[in-house]
Amino acid sequence: NAGVTQTPKFRILKIGQSMTLQCTQDMNHNYMYWYRQDPGMGLKLIYYSVGAGITDKGEVPNGYNVSRSTTEDFPLRLELAAPSQTSVYFCASSYGGLNTEAFFGQGTRLTVV
Amino acid sequence: AQSVAQPEDQVNVAEGNPLTVKCTYSVSGNPYLFWYVQYPNRGLQFLLKYITGDNLVKGSYGFEAEFNKSQTSFHLKKPSALVSDSALYFCAVRPHGSSNTGKLIFGQGTTLQVKP
Repeated sequence: NAGVTQTPKFRILKIGQSMTLQCTQDMNHNYMYWYRQDPGMGLKLIYYSVGAGITDKGEVPNGYNVSRSTTEDFPLRLELAAPSQTSVYFCASSYGGLNTEAFFGQGTRLTVV
Repeated sequence: AQSVAQPEDQVNVAEGNPLTVKCTYSVSGNPYLFWYVQYPNRGLQFLLKYITGDNLVKGSYGFEAEFNKSQTSFHLKKPSALVSDSALYFCAVRPHGSSNTGKLIFGQGTTLQVKP
């Protein structure tokens, strides 16, 4: 079972470049999330979606954009990359309902230089 | 503000001894509570959750957690630690409420080091 798949696993960007982090899930989950993980800071929610065509901001949305055109895919777009966006990014999904656990991808390690 | 606290950055325990990783939360209403584990260079894996009912919940790999409403805590425990349990552990809470959209609020994580 593939679960939640993120690509790429690693990426180095120069300041001002843009890129898209891909996330796809094959579990037919309604809810999808993007988190960033910084050392000692836990995970911070960037954006989330409760279904195709619906997205909303999380705690730290500045510098990012998302879209949800299908149930399966939830790409995260970085425009004008900045060193502060150096982090590990995790995509997650859950079936929905507040009592369901989330499933996480393996992460994308991004370095902005 | 809603938050989750894991007061220990690192917990060290000898193999075979019991372990506890602490978690307290501050949210309105009754939350849903989760524990996740992260091994190096991997995503988070679900361990267990508290939804309702018995305050002691059992999960994967022999882990269990005790929900204490009066102390707003959800400590992770295991009776006998293994070296392979060494990892980063995250507590997370999902508040109730009509405005909630399933978002998980995470603690900062606790590194568990089990020594042979």
